Amino acid sequence: RKEVEQDPGPFNVPEGATVAFNCTYSNSASQSFFWYRQDCRKEPKLLMSVYSSGNEDGRFTAQLNRASQYISLLIRDSKLSDSATYLCVGDSSYKLIFGSGTRLLVRP
Amino acid sequence: NAGVMQNPRHLVRRRGQEARLRCSPMKGHSHVYWYRQLPEEGLKFMVYLQKENIIDESGMPKERFSAEFPKEGPSILRIQQVVRGDSAAYFCASSGTSGIQNTGELFFGEGSRLTVL
Repeated sequence: RKEVEQDPGPFNVPEGATVAFNCTYSNSASQSFFWYRQDCRKEPKLLMSVYSSGNEDGRFTAQLNRASQYISLLIRDSKLSDSATYLCVGDSSYKLIFGSGTRLLVRP
Repeated sequence: NAGVMQNPRHLVRRRGQEARLRCSPMKGHSHVYWYRQLPEEGLKFMVYLQKENIIDESGMPKERFSAEFPKEGPSILRIQQVVRGDSAAYFCASSGTSGIQNTGELFFGEGSRLTVL
């Protein structure tokens, strides 16, 4: 079983839509979680950290449920520029473990 | 440019040759990570190094792959006797001394894309 699992998508949504991505992790020892964004053929970049209390950064909201070992990312009012692959990431022994990513396509 | 620098950006090798990928971390960063990304797949952890030390190589194949981060100079990922299955993007990332658990921020280079013919 992969340490971090995501639905690969793609999610194809119109501009302005709200879209949610989910992720599960298997390592109960993981303490920290993050969402990264990767554009096609580019390097990944940190989007935001994920806290148990939930955290928001503009149109993006991340949530962590430790009991269910479940992480989510909500994107409101989708923009064309949000089209990318979103990587769910957890820490494991001083390194980051990446999920395979969920691809988002925002259409006009 | 103070970012993570990787070279070469593209490398073509024939089966059996050696591939050597270089990574210079961000200025002031002493932690280097190598990840491999196969086409249409996620990033797979390979190795975590600090200066002159391999901290975690649990993701490295046991044969043909090696990594180093010498006291002076870039980190090197070396693949001997390459095979077609080694074709992938190899990303290097660096972090500062505060630890990735706090910030979660790894700074990635643009990657080195290896093609094995």
